Amino acid sequence: KQEVTQIPAALSVPEGENLVLNCSFTDSAIYNLQWFRQDPGKGLTSLLLIQSSQREQTSGRLNASLDKSSGRSTLYIAASQPGDSATYLCAVRTGANNLFFGTGTRLTVIP
Amino acid sequence: EPEVTQTPSHQVTQMGQEVILRCVPISNHLYFYWYRQILGQKVEFLVSFYNNEISEKSEIFDDQFSVERPDGSNFTLKIRSTKLEDSAMYFCASNGHKVTDTQYFGPGTRLTVL
Repeated sequence: KQEVTQIPAALSVPEGENLVLNCSFTDSAIYNLQWFRQDPGKGLTSLLLIQSSQREQTSGRLNASLDKSSGRSTLYIAASQPGDSATYLCAVRTGANNLFFGTGTRLTVIP
Repeated sequence: EPEVTQTPSHQVTQMGQEVILRCVPISNHLYFYWYRQILGQKVEFLVSFYNNEISEKSEIFDDQFSVERPDGSNFTLKIRSTKLEDSAMYFCASNGHKVTDTQYFGPGTRLTVL
């Protein structure tokens, strides 16, 4: 069964710093990987989707990479802002048409 | 921008009662999903729905759960006899014409079973 792990569980950084969030998964037979943002008590906002054939995707200050063979993905956030404070979730889609989620990284950006 | 909507935002019910959670997926999407997140835990897959039938379901989705697309816009999750452990945030999601497209999530319904 697919297991998705995210480290660190929590991260605090000063505003303006660049940071990297990590996601690892046990079964490399995935269709794609999706990064989400979740604000407290709210739904999930899709940030980036990387297909299994891709190595990275970029959107604004966000860059996600995928190394399928080693079962890893990173989310890079450049020039962090207080508004980036949220929980970041990664999720992988396997042969079944559902997503397996990680436990998330809770990010706090300190002004 | 089109979005997935869910009602109600919060539902409180007594144990043993039936609840129906409602979702309106993005209008031209073909694949629909329900997930749940117990407080402090991972988001977990419940069920996927395509072409008017369930295409996949998890171990959590037992006989107490059912889904329906009663018309061209709504997608519902019914829990027949709620248990305390059903208390969670329930998310509806949808994606477009390919199963590998981005899944878009609704804001969730917080279900509290007393």
